[in-house]
Parts: sequence; structure tokens; C-alpha cells
Amino acid sequence: TQLLEQSPQFLSIQEGENLTVYCNSSSVFSSLQWYRQEPGEGPVLLVTVVTGGEVKKLKRLTFQFGDARKDSSLHITAAQPGDTGLYLCASNFGNEKLTFGTGTRLTIIP
Amino acid sequence: DTGVSQDPRHKITKRGQNVTFRCDPISEHNRLYWYRQTLGQGPEFLTYFQNEAQLEKSRLLSDRFSAERPKGSFSTLEIQRTEQGDSAMYLCASSLDRQTDTQYFGPGTRLTVL
Repeated sequence: TQLLEQSPQFLSIQEGENLTVYCNSSSVFSSLQWYRQEPGEGPVLLVTVVTGGEVKKLKRLTFQFGDARKDSSLHITAAQPGDTGLYLCASNFGNEKLTFGTGTRLTIIP
Repeated sequence: DTGVSQDPRHKITKRGQNVTFRCDPISEHNRLYWYRQTLGQGPEFLTYFQNEAQLEKSRLLSDRFSAERPKGSFSTLEIQRTEQGDSAMYLCASSLDRQTDTQYFGPGTRLTVL
């Protein structure tokens, strides 16, 4: 069974600060996706990373994929209240279904 | 197209009752997935369809659960004799055709079993 571990589980920071959240697995990811989920809504895809060492940027969000494709990080610069939500990493590990991590619940305090 | 839609968004039922949820995928998406998400957890896979064929079911899908996609378009998920442990968010996702295609999620149906 492939498991994805996310850390931290909870994070509460002031608006304007920077933060990094992590996603790790003992198995190699075929590809890795990051989603953000707001209360009462479904997950919304932010990015897919495929190649080891890959870095992708989405405005103030920077996604890194580890060289060995077993870990990934999401860095947010100058966090804003609109960044509040549950951040989930997920991979299909070459299967049909997505396996999700338990998520990082981020709260940005104005 | 406005994306994956699910109906109802919220359902409150008493223990022992049957409930049915509907998912309408993005048009032309051949694959449709059902996931369940409990509080504080990430979504967990339940089952998926390629067109009308149900190709995989999780062990989480007990005999009380049944899913259909009769014409390869919308899908229904029925839970019979609901239990309090069934309370969760039920999410539907769809993707184009290949295993590597991105899954797009609907807003979910929040089920509360009293």
C-alpha cells in the first residue's frame, strides 16, 4: 500500500509570511499532483509534476519535485487570506486511482 | 461546459434509509471516479468506470454500496441501509481517457447519517 505523508498537518501564519508544506512517500511517484480544497467543495488541481527535480511556478506558489520522485514541496510566498484551504498531494502510482495524502490545513491570518 | 456536477450537495438521512447520489462528468470524459472523504482526511478511492464498465472497486465499497453508469455518461452511487459511519463527503471526478489524464473533481455530496 502506497502512503503519502504530508507535513505539517496544520499551519497558521500571518498574512505576508512565507511557508512550505511537504509531501513524502516511500514509493516512487509516477507523477504527483497538488490540489487545494476549500470547505464544502471538491479539490481543485493546482499543478502536476512529472520529472524528478522539476520546479513549477504558479504566481506566488512554487512546486518542487524531488530528484528521486519520492517527495515534493509547495512553497507560498507572501501568503494571502485567499490561500487558506486544505492542500492535498496525490499520485496514482501508475494505477487508475489517485492516492491522496491527509493534507495540510493552512490558515492565513489577516 | 461548467465542469463536474453533483447532486444533491447535502443530504441528511436517518440510519437505515437508502440514499442515491448523482454525478454528471465533464462531457466527453470517458472515465468517472467516486471517492469518499471523511473529516480531516484526504479523499479515498471507491470505484471507477471507463464508459459504462465498472473496472475497479475498493474494499471500502461494502455490499451496501452500488454504483452505476448505465449509458456511459452520468453515474449514480447508492447506499442502502445507511449507517452513521457512512457520514462523509462523496466526491466524483472525471478524466478524458488515459490513466495519466488529469482527474477533475465535482463539489461533492455531503452525507450526514443521524
